[in-house]
Amino acid sequence: SQQGEEDPQALSIQEGENATMNCSYKTSINNLQWYRQNSGRGLVHLILIRSNEREKHSGRLRVTLDTSKKSSSLLITASRAADTASYFCATEHGAGSYQLTFGKGTKLSVIP
Amino acid sequence: DTEVTQTPKHLVMGMTNKKSLKCEQHMGHRAMYWYKQKAKKPPELMFVYSYEKLSINESVPSRFSPECPNSSLLNLHLHALQPEDSALYLCASSPRQDKQFFGPGTRLTVL
Repeated sequence: SQQGEEDPQALSIQEGENATMNCSYKTSINNLQWYRQNSGRGLVHLILIRSNEREKHSGRLRVTLDTSKKSSSLLITASRAADTASYFCATEHGAGSYQLTFGKGTKLSVIP
Repeated sequence: DTEVTQTPKHLVMGMTNKKSLKCEQHMGHRAMYWYKQKAKKPPELMFVYSYEKLSINESVPSRFSPECPNSSLLNLHLHALQPEDSALYLCASSPRQDKQFFGPGTRLTVL
């Protein structure tokens, strides 16, 4: 299976702290994306990093990609209660494939 | 209009019923997707339509039948479903092979 693995499965932090989630995958990728899902709702795209990029920032989000280790991390700085959600990494393996493979997700709880 | 809409929000059906899920987007995206998501699991790709043609079918049982009547609409026809098909069904669209825009989903319960 190409499905990614995320760790931790669950993470609980205090508001204002940073949250780090990791994602590993098995085969080479075209790009890696991170999505957020609030309970029982649709997914929201957060950030995309291409296979030739190593780091990307968007607001309070920082994503890194290490293709040699087939891993990525998502850092959320200065977390807020509204960041409470499940976070999924998703990999696109072939250019033009339209096919995303989602990791198992990390459930983040930010305590006010 | 920058959103994907799905109807209905909730659906309860018996195993002998025929029902349809509907998805709509007016962003001019040429790729549309159906995903199935069970509780506490990641979304699993079911179908991909590219330029209104079915391009990917992830070995989905024939009791699920997708249809793309035009570039803005995507339907999923359901017939003779099983209780294990109960899940959140998500529709998504994308302008190209990168980020996808998801609808809020249809929560399906099969009795």
